[in-house]
Amino acid sequence: NAGVMQNPRHLVRRRGQEARLRCSPMKGHSHVYWYRQLPEEGLKFMVYLQKENIIDESGMPKERFSAEFPKEGPSILRIQQVVRGDSAAYFCASSQVTYEQYFGPGTRLTVT
Amino acid sequence: TQLLEQSPQFLSIQEGENLTVYCNSSSVFSSLQWYRQEPGEGPVLLVTVVTGGEVKKLKRLTFQFGDARKDSSLHITAAQPGDTGLYLCAGTDMDSNYQLIWGAGTKLIIKP
Repeated sequence: NAGVMQNPRHLVRRRGQEARLRCSPMKGHSHVYWYRQLPEEGLKFMVYLQKENIIDESGMPKERFSAEFPKEGPSILRIQQVVRGDSAAYFCASSQVTYEQYFGPGTRLTVT
Repeated sequence: TQLLEQSPQFLSIQEGENLTVYCNSSSVFSSLQWYRQEPGEGPVLLVTVVTGGEVKKLKRLTFQFGDARKDSSLHITAAQPGDTGLYLCAGTDMDSNYQLIWGAGTKLIIKP
């Protein structure tokens, strides 16, 4: 049973470009969560989605950031007009029951 | 605001020794998870405890959830260099069954 998959693992974007991060949950998991981690810091919750629904986006900046989990295909975290402060590791997690979250390997975004 | 205090923050011991990591809070959690995170990777779920007083064993690792569900411990017997890593506890908020409250982590180094 494959784990949570994220791609790309590393992403370099220039300031002002768009970043698209993809997450394929574990088979059978209908809950997806996105977290951000800055170097030497803990994981910060961004958004919780179920298929075609955003359940809680309270941790996601209101501007430039959006997330979706379509009926078919992976969950996407989109960051428009990236700035240097967006450089971080972005982790996706999925779960069958909400409290038991399995994490992917992360996408390391570097904004130059 | 719920907090999880994890201790010690850093532990360096010799191979073969035993150790215990603690997570404490004044708040009650509906469940508690232990993760291990390697540099450059996502957290790997080790165990979930749900019932007060619950004890779970994973080879040389023993996890315990406090009777009042406010604290948890991770005990490693005969530590090996392969146990080196960052250990994180995360509790599930009673009001929100998906919001994880994270401990700051214990950086564990096992010297051969």
